[in-house]
Amino acid sequence: GENVEQHPSTLSVQEGDSAVIKCTYSDSASNYFPWYKQELGKGPQLIIDIRSNVGEKKDQRIAVTLNKTAKHFSLHITETQPEDSAVYFCAASKGGSYIPTFGRGTSLIVHP
Amino acid sequence: DAGITQSPRHKVTETGTPVTLRCHQTENHRYMYWYRQDPGHGLRLIHYSYGVKDTDKGEVSDGYSVSRSKTEDFLLTLESATSSQTSVYFCAISAGLGQAQYFGPGTRLLVL
Repeated sequence: GENVEQHPSTLSVQEGDSAVIKCTYSDSASNYFPWYKQELGKGPQLIIDIRSNVGEKKDQRIAVTLNKTAKHFSLHITETQPEDSAVYFCAASKGGSYIPTFGRGTSLIVHP
Repeated sequence: DAGITQSPRHKVTETGTPVTLRCHQTENHRYMYWYRQDPGHGLRLIHYSYGVKDTDKGEVSDGYSVSRSKTEDFLLTLESATSSQTSVYFCAISAGLGQAQYFGPGTRLLVL
């Protein structure tokens, strides 16, 4: 089955810096890659997703890039703010017949 | 939380007792999922449903059963709770496989 590795497990940055979280996947047939943000005491919330026919997608301060050849995708957060502090999960799915496989999460800490 | 509620939100129980967690959605999504979240393991799929009375196992299904008698409700039952089932349980929904999942607020279960 699909295997998703996520790094780093913890990321500490200063407010205003950029943060990058990387995920690799094992199944070249995967074609859907969502990212979730989980704040303390809450359920994961979808923040951005990308499909394999697109190399990059942006939404204000967050962006996701996909490298199908290398089988990795990354979440980029620019101008980080304290409210960005949370656990972020990546996932990969092969589309219509498969359930997403999740990475183990990255705890992002943004220091004021 | 995209029209998803979970009940109870917190529960303390004793080893050997049965426990039922409820997930209720108002989105009329076909797919519903139960995950458990533990430190160092991320989100692990327990069971999922692809329609009324249609369910299938996930990667950590031992000790759990599910039922879905209505589109909007998905029940998770621990027939005889064990301490290893102490966890945070999340319900999720999606319109289809390979599509965005939306998570509920979670149920924190402690088995003594």
